[in-house]
Amino acid sequence: GQQLNQSPQSMFIQEGEDVSMNCTSSSIFNTWLWYKQDPGEGPVLLIALYKAGELTSNGRLTAQFGITRKDSFLNISASIPSDVGIYFCAGQALDSNYQLIWGAGTKLIIKP
Amino acid sequence: GAGVSQSPRYKVTKRGQDVTLRCDPISSHATLYWYQQALGQGPEFLTYFNYEAQPDKSGLPSDRFSAERPEGSISTLTIQRTEQRDSAMYRCASSSGHFSGNTIYFGEGSWLTVV
Repeated sequence: GQQLNQSPQSMFIQEGEDVSMNCTSSSIFNTWLWYKQDPGEGPVLLIALYKAGELTSNGRLTAQFGITRKDSFLNISASIPSDVGIYFCAGQALDSNYQLIWGAGTKLIIKP
Repeated sequence: GAGVSQSPRYKVTKRGQDVTLRCDPISSHATLYWYQQALGQGPEFLTYFNYEAQPDKSGLPSDRFSAERPEGSISTLTIQRTEQRDSAMYRCASSSGHFSGNTIYFGEGSWLTVV
C-alpha cells in the first residue's frame, strides 16, 4: 500500500539528547499526525497538525507541518527513557478520501 | 466503552480455517477503521465504516476478507480460508467522523498467526 517516506528508520541516542525525525510525501496532505507506539500497544496520537507552516508543541515534543504540505518533522528535546518506542507519521488528504497514509516508523532506542 | 476494545488479543489458526476478529469502538464514535499492521511497518488501511455504511473497502487485500458493522457499533473482520501471509496485527480504530481534524483512537490490536 501507499506509504510516506519516514526517516531515519531507527535512532540510537543517549539520554538527554535531542531527537529529530521527518516524513516526506510526493502528494499534498491536509493533515499531518504523529503517533507513538509502545510494544504490544496501539498507536497513540502525540501531535496533530492542520495548517501548512503550523508549529505545535506538546511538552518536549515539537512538530511542524511543512510549507509545501508535503513534509513534516517531529523533534523531541532532552530525551528520557520513556521516549523509547516507535514513532509513526501519518497524513490525511482530501484526494485520498481522508484515508490515513502511514510512514514505516522510526524506532527510538536510548542507550543507557 | 471508554476506549477501543478488540478481541481476541491473540489468535493462532491453521491455514484454511476462517477467523473472525471483533472491535468495540468508543461508544460515541461514528467512524470505525480496520488496519493491518505487519511487524516493523506502519498500519495499512483495510476498510472503514460510518455507522453501518461501508464507504470504502478498497484496502481489503482479497475477497477472503470482509467486514461488517450491522448496527453501527461493534464491527467484525472475517478472514476466510486463512493463508500464512494473513499473519499480522489487525488494528481497529474509531473517530467521531471521517474528516481531517478528527482524532483517531486505536485499539490494542488482534495478533493473528496462521500456521
